[in-house]
Amino acid sequence: AQKVTQAQTEISVVEKEDVTLDCVYETRDTTYYLFWYKQPPSGELVFLIRRNSFDEQNEISGRYSWNFQKSTSSFNFTITASQVVDSAVYFCALSGLNYGGATNKLIFGTGTLLAVQP
Amino acid sequence: GAGVSQSPRYKVTKRGQDVTLRCDPISSHATLYWYQQALGQGPEFLTYFNYEAQPDKSGLPSDRFSAERPEGSISTLTIQRTEQRDSAMYRCASSLGLAQETQYFGPGTRLLVL
Repeated sequence: AQKVTQAQTEISVVEKEDVTLDCVYETRDTTYYLFWYKQPPSGELVFLIRRNSFDEQNEISGRYSWNFQKSTSSFNFTITASQVVDSAVYFCALSGLNYGGATNKLIFGTGTLLAVQP
Repeated sequence: GAGVSQSPRYKVTKRGQDVTLRCDPISSHATLYWYQQALGQGPEFLTYFNYEAQPDKSGLPSDRFSAERPEGSISTLTIQRTEQRDSAMYRCASSLGLAQETQYFGPGTRLLVL
């Protein structure tokens, strides 16, 4: 069965601090995709990144970086120099490759609420 | 359209009433998904369409829930005889195709059943 665990329910930091959001996943698929989505207070769900299981290179996009480690089944997300606008719920998600009929449904974790204080 | 749109954004209904939620995906996207998100939880898969076909409806919680996408574009999710436990955010997402894994979400419909 596929499962995503985000053990951190809530994190509070002060602006300009770095913060890492943890994501641990379980899957028996050999090919799969991992995602991060952001849900700001306004409620929409915003796509941040997709990573496939064959690509373990870390990725950096501005203040955001992602660390994918297959050996520990983790896909952690770091925000450097956090800002108040980063306050949101962040979801990690997993999907398997579609094998002629298998669903590409996303399996989400329960989310981590990040509060960045000014 | 440029993004996924959903209507209504908010719906309050009385227990026992039927409700229909609408999703308009990104215009070039073949695949459309419905998710249900309870408060404090991540979205959970309900069903999906590839064009007008509905290959998987395994996530629909009961036969009171149904979805359609008759012309392969706009989709509706209908909940019959609503119950209080149906109160949730209903999210629609679309992707370019089955091989394109990124799903882009609409703003959601917040349903409250009194």
